[in-house]
Amino acid sequence: SQTIHQWPATLVQPVGSPLSLECTVEGTSNPNLYWYRQAAGRGLQLLFYSVGIGQISSEVPQNLSASRPQDRQFILSSKKLLLSDSGFYLCAWTSGTGGDDGYTFGSGTRLTVV
Amino acid sequence: QQQVKQSPQSLIVQKGGISIINCAYENTAFDYFPWYQQFPGKGPALLIAIRPDVSEKKEGRFTISFNKSAKQFSLHIMDSQPGDSATYFCAANSGYALNFGKGTSLLVTP
Repeated sequence: SQTIHQWPATLVQPVGSPLSLECTVEGTSNPNLYWYRQAAGRGLQLLFYSVGIGQISSEVPQNLSASRPQDRQFILSSKKLLLSDSGFYLCAWTSGTGGDDGYTFGSGTRLTVV
Repeated sequence: QQQVKQSPQSLIVQKGGISIINCAYENTAFDYFPWYQQFPGKGPALLIAIRPDVSEKKEGRFTISFNKSAKQFSLHIMDSQPGDSATYFCAANSGYALNFGKGTSLLVTP
């Protein structure tokens, strides 16, 4: 069966520090991978998605970046965090057939920038 | 801009009652409409989904009603239970990514 792992679960970082969140998927190949951010009262905001190794699409201009160095690995990074980067970050995957089936989300990372 | 509009923002229902959450969309290219359930501190989980070729889909106590002409769809939770208390998100898909509504916080009181 397929599983998705996301870590760390919680993170407190000072303003201006770097960020690296990792997400891995097991039990499938060539998944579509997604990073979402959830802020209170604002739903789920799509940040990045990837349909293959090295292929990253950005939905929102910001100081975050994403990379997909391996088929089932998706990394969210920042060189310098801002206070506004605080939120609940969720990784998700779906089969690489066009995205018309359900997403499976990871358990999320609660990021607090102080 | 918000491509999927969800209401209400919050909802309180008594145990045994019916919970109804509504969503509307504009993009007629959307062809897949899932609902997700999220408990505090957890990622959302797929609850039920519908495609525009059917008007209703039922899974246990959960039903999606879909009105293609009005570009609206809704989630009905029958016999609501305290364990249903969670945040519910509607979504719509076109291409590779899902567009989510802002969520509805449901509280089912004993």
